[in-house]
Amino acid sequence: GIQVEQSPPDLILQEGANSTLRCNFSDSVNNLQWFHQNPWGQLINLFYIPSGTKQNGRLSATTVATERYSLLYISSSQTTDSGVYFCAVKTSYDKVIFGPGTSLSVIP
Amino acid sequence: DTGVSQDPRHKITKRGQNVTFRCDPISEHNRLYWYRQTLGQGPEFLTYFQNEAQLEKSRLLSDRFSAERPKGSFSTLEIQRTEQGDSAMYLCASSLGEGTMSEAFFGQGTRLTVV
Repeated sequence: GIQVEQSPPDLILQEGANSTLRCNFSDSVNNLQWFHQNPWGQLINLFYIPSGTKQNGRLSATTVATERYSLLYISSSQTTDSGVYFCAVKTSYDKVIFGPGTSLSVIP
Repeated sequence: DTGVSQDPRHKITKRGQNVTFRCDPISEHNRLYWYRQTLGQGPEFLTYFQNEAQLEKSRLLSDRFSAERPKGSFSTLEIQRTEQGDSAMYLCASSLGEGTMSEAFFGQGTRLTVV
């Protein structure tokens, strides 16, 4: 089956810093989503981005489907950005497969 | 409709007991998914429905697990004869779409603890 990798596994940032999270996948996908899981376990949709670039405030994402990767950019990080960021892909079998996540801690 | 709703939010049960969780998807979403997440891991796919039809089941879904979506709206996930290894967060998601290009939305999950 398809493999989804995320890097880095853990990240500690000073408030105000920028960061880039990466998601690599081993096969063609039909769509890709980025989620933020908050400390209470809720998965919050950040981007639905099968290809191209999207921006939402301090966050933006780029997916290059032909090269099988996606990037999530966080600018001017805030403590509320802390949590786990998951990349999830959907294959032709319509199953959403999650990566292992990047755990982000933003310190004041 | 404010999103995917799951009930209960927390469940503590003794080993060997049966438990049932409920998921109410976003109205008119035809697809519904169940996932399991253990501490420090990403969510793992369990099963998915398109309307009332259960189209795929993971090998993780042993014969103690059963899921239904009788009228193509809400879904239930039952675990029989619970084991300590079943302790996890159970997540439900829904999406709208006929093809594979559809965005999934998740509920807040049901956290199961088997003692």
